[in-house]
Amino acid sequence: GDSVTQMEGPVTLSEEACLTINCTYTATGYPSLFWYVQYPGEGLQLLLKATKADDKGSNKGFEATYRKETTSFHLEKGSVQVSDSAVYFCALTKTSYDKVIFGPGTSLSVIP
Amino acid sequence: GAVVSQHPSRVICKSGTSVKIECRSLDFQATTMFWYRQFPKKSLMLMATSNEGSKATYEQGVEKDKFLINHASLTLSTLTVTSAHPEDSSFYICSAFLRGRDYEQYFGPGTRLTVT
Repeated sequence: GDSVTQMEGPVTLSEEACLTINCTYTATGYPSLFWYVQYPGEGLQLLLKATKADDKGSNKGFEATYRKETTSFHLEKGSVQVSDSAVYFCALTKTSYDKVIFGPGTSLSVIP
Repeated sequence: GAVVSQHPSRVICKSGTSVKIECRSLDFQATTMFWYRQFPKKSLMLMATSNEGSKATYEQGVEKDKFLINHASLTLSTLTVTSAHPEDSSFYICSAFLRGRDYEQYFGPGTRLTVT
């Protein structure tokens, strides 16, 4: 079945370090890909998305490119801040009205 | 943007009682809503798909008689945890699609259920 795999962490970085969280997926057809962020004690927020191959999603300094040839959607940020500390979920959906399939989540801690 | 609310945000109940959690789409109609469950430090697992005016579709392993879902209107779905036990303690999150907005679900802020 369809699935999402991502590095689970926890990941600890110093402020202003570069971030990469790897995400790969298994799915038939052409899924849409997402990154969601969950801050401590809160619900999910959509961080960015890409709906077709080679699309780049970006938001708040984060970027991810939909790579169909490698079935990947790695999350990157050039300079992290303490406020970026959260859990990040890579996810996919197959159709407009389908369930979201989540990866296991990656916990990120950014220290001053 | 589209907003999905949940009520309550936190609830503590005693074993054996039932708890109802509401999920509302505040400024759009949602024919389909989803209910997810998140265990501590774990990912979200889909429990069921809630369809307005029809019975919910449950994922394998989810007890439909224990987790009652009702989607009586285009803006409201409810999840009732019946005869709650401590193992039902979890974070429950709902989501809804904005009609006409492809591929994007809007998630509620979640409900933290603690069963003592």
